[in-house]
Amino acid sequence: GAVVSQHPSRVICKSGTSVKIECRSLDFQATTMFWYRQFPKKSLMLMATSNEGSKATYEQGVEKDKFLINHASLTLSTLTVTSAHPEDSSFYICSARARGPTEAFFGQGTRLTVV
Amino acid sequence: DAKTTQPPSMDCAEGRAANLPCNHSTISGNEYVYWYRQIHSQGPQYIIHGLKNNETNEMASLIITEDRKSSTLILPHATLRDTAVYYCIVRVASNAGKSTFGDGTTLTVKP
Repeated sequence: GAVVSQHPSRVICKSGTSVKIECRSLDFQATTMFWYRQFPKKSLMLMATSNEGSKATYEQGVEKDKFLINHASLTLSTLTVTSAHPEDSSFYICSARARGPTEAFFGQGTRLTVV
Repeated sequence: DAKTTQPPSMDCAEGRAANLPCNHSTISGNEYVYWYRQIHSQGPQYIIHGLKNNETNEMASLIITEDRKSSTLILPHATLRDTAVYYCIVRVASNAGKSTFGDGTTLTVKP
């Protein structure tokens, strides 16, 4: 399958600071990328969908001003957690797909800890 | 996406076949059955998908009942590295990536 890479894999930040997570498709052009979050021992929850060159579409209950998503190129999407608080500590996972009825592939995830 | 029901946990002996069931009684005609797994602290990994015919690849086999209301993922020779949470997802093909994950089945392969 295609390769999707997230960076960093782990990050610890202080409360009140912002953190940027990158999601890259390494061997295909990702017209659509998805961001999920996962709390301990819980399942994945879709946060938002982003199409290259367009504004992201957020799921109900997800604060778009807190979780800024940029998908400026066909190989890179970023998720910025602004003014992070301890309750934002979670496992953030991206997935990416190419144009058309293709499968989507997941990154390895980013463990965010806000202290 | 149609709702799916999976047992919360299962054990399997190393080297034996692991059979993971999934109920999806409200599946629509154009919805596929997808299986993913998530090894601890990693992103989900695609395993296999099918519409109505049985499917097999290098990782697993997918058996879908004739009425499509349930399916079984078969790992023919489970290894310790197959210990993971397995998710059964039902959705249309055009929604690839936008998946509704349930709680899945935690498969523990024991030596």
